[in-house]
Amino acid sequence: EVQLVQSGAEVKKPGESLKISCKGSGYSFTSYWIGWVRQMPGKGLEWMGIIYPGDSDTRYSPSFQGQVTISADKSISTAYLQWSSLKASDTAMYYCARLLPDSSGFPPYFDYWGQGTLVTVSS
Amino acid sequence: EIVLTQSPATLSLSPGERATLSCRASQSVSSYLAWYQQKPGQAPRLLIYDASNRATGIPARFSGSGSGTDFTLTISSLEPEDFAVYYCQQRSNWSITFGQGTRLEIK
Repeated sequence: EVQLVQSGAEVKKPGESLKISCKGSGYSFTSYWIGWVRQMPGKGLEWMGIIYPGDSDTRYSPSFQGQVTISADKSISTAYLQWSSLKASDTAMYYCARLLPDSSGFPPYFDYWGQGTLVTVSS
Repeated sequence: EIVLTQSPATLSLSPGERATLSCRASQSVSSYLAWYQQKPGQAPRLLIYDASNRATGIPARFSGSGSGTDFTLTISSLEPEDFAVYYCQQRSNWSITFGQGTRLEIK
């Protein structure tokens, strides 16, 4: 059974750093792209970026380039999303999700999702 | 960046009725379009991919159609568990975007 299990909720202050995780199981972790999606309170879904754990190829949404860092440790089947300096506007639910492969190389759709990690940034 | 516009923003229907949700792209996405369902407190769930293919385990009452810039998600006969928010999503040129969502509520 494919599962993505995310780390628990976080409460941080502005300016602090944070790294949240997403552990995959039940499939070949290095053979599928993993993506991160933000959902601000009461709002829609926003794509942040994707990573291919097999070779750490990473692509970012222009909206999030330079704001976050996506990484993966294939030895423990875990992907990460990190911030160096959080802002109040980073308060949101963050989902990781596996992407279906595609012959073009750029995976199109999210087929399995983690349960989400709620990040609250408040002074 | 390709913008996806969903309509209506909110759809009020009764169980047993037919639901038709629309998603329009600002430029052609060919058939690279998916639909997701999200219930309160849950992660999104993939319903339809490549515009018209049902994902694994999705009931036959869900169907998708369209290509290019205009897409439709149809729920043939609404069940109580179908009331949720629905998002469309496209991918092109190494970019992914979501529509703003349609809330399907019980009338």
